[in-house]
Amino acid sequence: EAGVTQSPTHLIKTRGQQVTLRCSPISGHTSVYWYQQALGLGLQFLLWYDEGEERNRGNFPPRFSGRQFPNYSSELNVNALELEDSALYLCASSWGLAGGGETQYFGPGTRLLVL
Amino acid sequence: KQEVTQIPAALSVPEGENLVLNCSFTDSAIYNLQWFRQDPGKGLTSLLLIQSSQREQTSGRLNASLDKSSGRSTLYIAASQPGDSATYLCAATPQGAQKLVFGQGTRLTINP
Repeated sequence: EAGVTQSPTHLIKTRGQQVTLRCSPISGHTSVYWYQQALGLGLQFLLWYDEGEERNRGNFPPRFSGRQFPNYSSELNVNALELEDSALYLCASSWGLAGGGETQYFGPGTRLLVL
Repeated sequence: KQEVTQIPAALSVPEGENLVLNCSFTDSAIYNLQWFRQDPGKGLTSLLLIQSSQREQTSGRLNASLDKSSGRSTLYIAASQPGDSATYLCAATPQGAQKLVFGQGTRLTINP
């Protein structure tokens, strides 16, 4: 069974540009999560999508947004890139809202460098 | 607001030793606590997940315990090997919030 996949693996952008990261969940999973791992800041929760809806959002500015498609894949968009957006962006998936606390399975991440 | 802390930030031990990594959390209202391994520049590999009703989980040389009343979890690694060198992260899932709250991790080095 294929795991969570993310694309691209690496990305270099300049300040002010926009970027789109992509994630495909494990087959059958309806929930997708995005996390940011910036140097020195640890892993921070960004967004949670389930059944096409944004269910929860971390403490990030509105220029971080995303969506989930009918096939449950997801995009994370970051507008007006800033240097501090340089990070490893991790996507995870899980079964849906059955009872809470579902196990999350992580992809390999996309490393974004903003110059 | 749930906060997760891992101490120490880094640990270096000789091969073959048994070791314990510590994780503490501020709010006992959790669904579960999970331990992950992260190799440099890579994603996360799930090691063990302990549901809130459980006290411990074991997988091979790894044993994780959970004490909700004291807000603590430990990851015990037996007979450490150089291949165990990595950063180990613990994460709690707060009740009512389908998200993981991570500690800062412990960077473990096993010296041959």
